[in-house]
Amino acid sequence: DAGITQSPRHKVTETGTPVTLRCHQTENHRYMYWYRQDPGHGLRLIHYSYGVKDTDKGEVSDGYSVSRSKTEDFLLTLESATSSQTSVYFCAIRLDTGITEAFFGQGTRLTVV
Amino acid sequence: AQSVTQLDSQVPVFEEAPVELRCNYSSSVSVYLFWYVQYPNQGLQLLLKYLSGSTLVESINGFEAEFNKSQTSFHLRKPSVHISDTAEYFCAVSERGSQGNLIFGKGTKLSVKP
Repeated sequence: DAGITQSPRHKVTETGTPVTLRCHQTENHRYMYWYRQDPGHGLRLIHYSYGVKDTDKGEVSDGYSVSRSKTEDFLLTLESATSSQTSVYFCAIRLDTGITEAFFGQGTRLTVV
Repeated sequence: AQSVTQLDSQVPVFEEAPVELRCNYSSSVSVYLFWYVQYPNQGLQLLLKYLSGSTLVESINGFEAEFNKSQTSFHLRKPSVHISDTAEYFCAVSERGSQGNLIFGKGTKLSVKP
C-alpha cells in the first residue's frame, strides 16, 4: 500500500471552522497529491507537492491551502469550511523510482454541516 | 487541456458475461494511461497501465485494455466477470514528462449480478 496514512479517516465539522487533513508516507517520495472525490465528478486534483516547501495548485484549489514542511507529511487545510467541501479526500504519492502511477491512501470522509 | 470521458456511468452485467468499460481521452501531447478500481469504502488501486510498447495491456485478474491512438481510446475489457468485480472503475491520463498529475474520468460503476 506504499505506506500512506491519512488522518482523520472521518470528520464532521461546522461551516466556517478550519480543518486540517494529514497525509503521511513512510518512504519519503517527492511527489504527493491531494484529490477530492465527488459523485459524478470522479477525482479532481486540489494541490500537489514535488518536494519540501514546493507546492502547486490543481484544478479545484479555491478554498484550500497546503503545506509540506517535511518530506513525509503533506497537510491540506480548509481555511473556513463550507458545505460544498463535503467530500472524500484522497492523498496519493508517486514513487521516485520512475514508476509513473500514483498510489492512494484510504481516504478521509469530511462532512461540513 | 487534457480530459477523460467515461461514456457509461453504470454498467450492469450478469456473472460470467463479458464486459467493456469505455474510456476516451483528449490531449495534445503523449500520455500515459491508467485504469484504477475502487471497491466500496476503499481507496483506489491500480488495475493496469499503458506506458509504451504493446498497445494491449493485461492485469493479473483477467482484465485487459487496449490503447488506440487514432481513436484516443483506452477501453477496459474482461471476457467473463465475477461477482467480486463489482466496483467503480476510473480511467486516468497523465502527460509524459509532467509532474505526474492524473486527470480522471468520472468513473463507471460495474455491477455484476448472479
